Amino acid sequence: SQTIHQWPATLVQPVGSPLSLECTVEGTSNPNLYWYRQAAGRGLQLLFYSVGIGQISSEVPQNLSASRPQDRQFILSSKKLLLSDSGFYLCAWKVYTEAFFGQGTRLTVV
Amino acid sequence: SQQGEEDPQALSIQEGENATMNCSYKTSINNLQWYRQNSGRGLVHLILIRSNEREKHSGRLRVTLDTSKKSSSLLITASRAADTASYFCATDRIYNQGGKLIFGQGTELSVKP
Repeated sequence: SQTIHQWPATLVQPVGSPLSLECTVEGTSNPNLYWYRQAAGRGLQLLFYSVGIGQISSEVPQNLSASRPQDRQFILSSKKLLLSDSGFYLCAWKVYTEAFFGQGTRLTVV
Repeated sequence: SQQGEEDPQALSIQEGENATMNCSYKTSINNLQWYRQNSGRGLVHLILIRSNEREKHSGRLRVTLDTSKKSSSLLITASRAADTASYFCATDRIYNQGGKLIFGQGTELSVKP
């Protein structure tokens, strides 16, 4: 069966520090992969999506970047975090119609 | 940009009552999906309705879709305290690059025992 792993679950980082969040998928090949961010009490904002290795599309200009070095690995990064980068980050994968989400990473930038 | 808008933003009901949540969207879609999110967790897919369908059932869930009004509703019948969560609609738009799902702001449902 397919599973998605996202880590860490929580992260507290100082302003200006780098960020790397990782997401891996098991049990499926060539999935579409997505990074979403959720502000407190709000909906999900799509940040990046990828349809294949090395193929990244950005939905909104921001301080973050994404990479897909392997078919089932999706990484969200920042060189220097801002306070506004705080939020709940969710990774998801999709092959046909429905999306499957990881458990999320709560990032607090202090 | 956000595609879906849910209302109400928050809904509080007693166990056993029905809960209705609505979603409106702006552009033509292939399908519309509803997801549930428990506090601080990932989203879980509940039900999908295609653009050529008008109504769909799954257990205590009933979803309707009106493409002329660009709206959908999710009905949870005989609610339980365990149904307490946030509910989101998500649209898969026509000519959608990357199969992206665009989510609304969600409805926070509280079911009191």
